[in-house]
Amino acid sequence: GAGVSQSPRYKVAKRGQDVALRCDPISGHVSLFWYQQALGQGPEFLTYFQNEAQLDKSGLPSDRFFAERPEGSVSTLKIQRTQQEDSAVYLCASSIPGHSFKETQYFGPGTRLLVL
Amino acid sequence: AQTVTQSQPEMSVQEAETVTLSCTYDTSENNYYLFWYKQPPSRQMILVIRQEAYKQQNATENRFSVNFQKAAKSFSLKISDSQLGDTAMYFCAFTDNAGNMLTFGGGTRLMVKP
Repeated sequence: GAGVSQSPRYKVAKRGQDVALRCDPISGHVSLFWYQQALGQGPEFLTYFQNEAQLDKSGLPSDRFFAERPEGSVSTLKIQRTQQEDSAVYLCASSIPGHSFKETQYFGPGTRLLVL
Repeated sequence: AQTVTQSQPEMSVQEAETVTLSCTYDTSENNYYLFWYKQPPSRQMILVIRQEAYKQQNATENRFSVNFQKAAKSFSLKISDSQLGDTAMYFCAFTDNAGNMLTFGGGTRLMVKP
């Protein structure tokens, strides 16, 4: 079956531009997560949705970062007024709470963002 | 807060040999879940193996097995009969019983040499 998909795969932005990153989770997966992965490091949690509700946004680094999942399926991570330190790979993952392996998250290929 | 530490930034192994990747973690929780994820150069994170803390038996998945030492808070990954396709970054990860965010270690870059 189809896995988690993300678009675009690569994005180059000039400093100060706004960007929008899209995530399509696995069909039926209620939980959706965003992570930020800097070069050579492990992913770091940004935010978490259960259906359309954003239950945890403690990892968002600043108020320039905003995520939404209005219909409980596709999610968009928006970064306003991008800065060079925003350059990273943004990973999306989904999972099924209540499933016997609810804690297992399935990841998309990521969006590599480069801010010049 | 939970932390995950991978003390080996890079490792290499000859094809067909066995290699062990280390992971330690810190938590005050009694029940939690541990994972090893593989991230090949294409960057798609793939689940390798998972372990539930309340299960004493070590998880195994074909050539991959773990050595889970709960008291020591250690969760190492053993790869037997290493294959060229095992070359990747390997991340150890933790989540608590709520099953929410994953906390990752810094990763170990594994190179399998022919």
